[in-house]
Amino acid sequence: QSVLTQPPSASETPGQRVTISCSGITSNIGSDYVYWYQQLPGTAPKLLIYRNNLRPSGVPDRFSGSKSGTSASLAISELRSEDEADYYCAAWDDSLSGPMFGGGTKLTVL
Amino acid sequence: QVQLVESGGGVVLPGGSLRLSCAASGFNFSNYGIHWVRQAPGKGLEWVAAIWFDGSNKHYADSVKGRFTISRDNSKDTLFLQMGSLRGEDSAVYFCARGKGRFANLMDYWGLGTRVTVSS
Repeated sequence: QSVLTQPPSASETPGQRVTISCSGITSNIGSDYVYWYQQLPGTAPKLLIYRNNLRPSGVPDRFSGSKSGTSASLAISELRSEDEADYYCAAWDDSLSGPMFGGGTKLTVL
Repeated sequence: QVQLVESGGGVVLPGGSLRLSCAASGFNFSNYGIHWVRQAPGKGLEWVAAIWFDGSNKHYADSVKGRFTISRDNSKDTLFLQMGSLRGEDSAVYFCARGKGRFANLMDYWGLGTRVTVSS
C-alpha cells in the first residue's frame, strides 16, 4: 500500500485542464520536496516536476506542480491525446529513509 | 545525453540469485546518487534501493533489506544490484534511475529497465 495517496484514475477532454492530487503526511510531503513522473504505456518514467513546482528543460509549461502542507497536485492544461499516461508523485519519507511513490493515476484523454 | 542501460534480468527459481547491472554514460557518474526502482506487472512504481555518489551510504526498502545489495564501480560507471533469496513478489521490471544530486535525492533520468521473473 502506497504511503502517498493518488486517485487511481482521471479523465478529461482535449483542450481542458485536469488536476491530479497526491496526499501524504508530515514525514514525507510535509517535510520534503515532491516530484512528479509521467509514464507512457510501455516506457520508462520521465521526470515532469521536481522540487514541488520546477520543470526540467523540455517539459512544456502546460504542466505545473504545487504543494501545500502535506498535499501536492499536478495540473495539466490544454490537454492533448499524447498526455494519456500514468502519473506518479514521489517524495522522500523520513520514517522509511527512502523515497515513496504514490500509487499512480491513469489519465485518460477522452 | 544521459543514458542508463540495465542488464542481467531473466527467469530465476524461487530462492535463487541474480545480479543486475546498470551502465551509465553521458554524465559524471561519480557525482550522483543512483537508485533501483521496480515495477511489477500492471502495478505502480516501488523504490528498491539507493546508493550515494561515493558508495559510502546505502538505503534499502524494507521489502528487500537483507536480501538485496546495491553497489557501484565508479571506475566503470556501473551500478549493481545483487539479489538473493528471490521470491515471486520480486518479479518486476527493474529500473535504474539517477538521483538529482550526490545523495539519495529523488530521480531525474531513468533507464529502460530489465525484467526479472521469479518462477518455478
